[in-house]
Amino acid sequence: DVKVTQSSRYLVKRTGEKVFLECVQDMDHENMFWYRQDPGLGLRLIYFSYDVKMKEKGDIPEGYSVSREKKERFSLILESASTNQTSMYLCASSPARDNYGYTFGSGTRLTVV
Amino acid sequence: GNSVTQMEGPVTLSEEAFLTINCTYTATGYPSLFWYVQYPGEGLQLLLKATKADDKGSNKGFEATYRKETTSFHLEKGSVQVSDSAVYFCALSGSFNQFYFGTGTSLTVIP
Repeated sequence: DVKVTQSSRYLVKRTGEKVFLECVQDMDHENMFWYRQDPGLGLRLIYFSYDVKMKEKGDIPEGYSVSREKKERFSLILESASTNQTSMYLCASSPARDNYGYTFGSGTRLTVV
Repeated sequence: GNSVTQMEGPVTLSEEAFLTINCTYTATGYPSLFWYVQYPGEGLQLLLKATKADDKGSNKGFEATYRKETTSFHLEKGSVQVSDSAVYFCALSGSFNQFYFGTGTSLTVIP
């Protein structure tokens, strides 16, 4: 069964901490994405990557960075966590071909206190 | 540009009722259209898709038809069950398989 695995389901961090959210996919997909999901706002794209060591800003990249050193792994980094980054974070991957859907991980619910 | 608009929720239905969740889109080119479902505490799962005009996607009793003339992709199910309670997202894929999601519609089915 193909999977996108996010390292933590629930995470609590303190304001100012550096936070790493890890995502690993086993489908050899080229594309990987990080979204955050907030009530009433739907899914908002933070960053995405079409290839190893490549990254592109999404709609809300401020306060975040990413790393993609290997094809299967895409990490989201909160450089200095703030309370307004409390959210559900969803990782997704897809092949490079058009018309294929995304496969999502189960999400990480991050609380910054 | 590309965007997706879906009906506001929440929607509450009795078991065995008919479900329609409206979705309209704006797109350049010829996008593919998708419905995703998110069960409580989970990530999103692909429910169905349609890749060209007049295609009908279907899965688990849900259906949606790609209507280019009305730029719509409404989700329907003839008889909902309690287990269908979830949040439903309409989405389109544009160039380079980049997705655009609607804001989601929460469905609660009561016995």
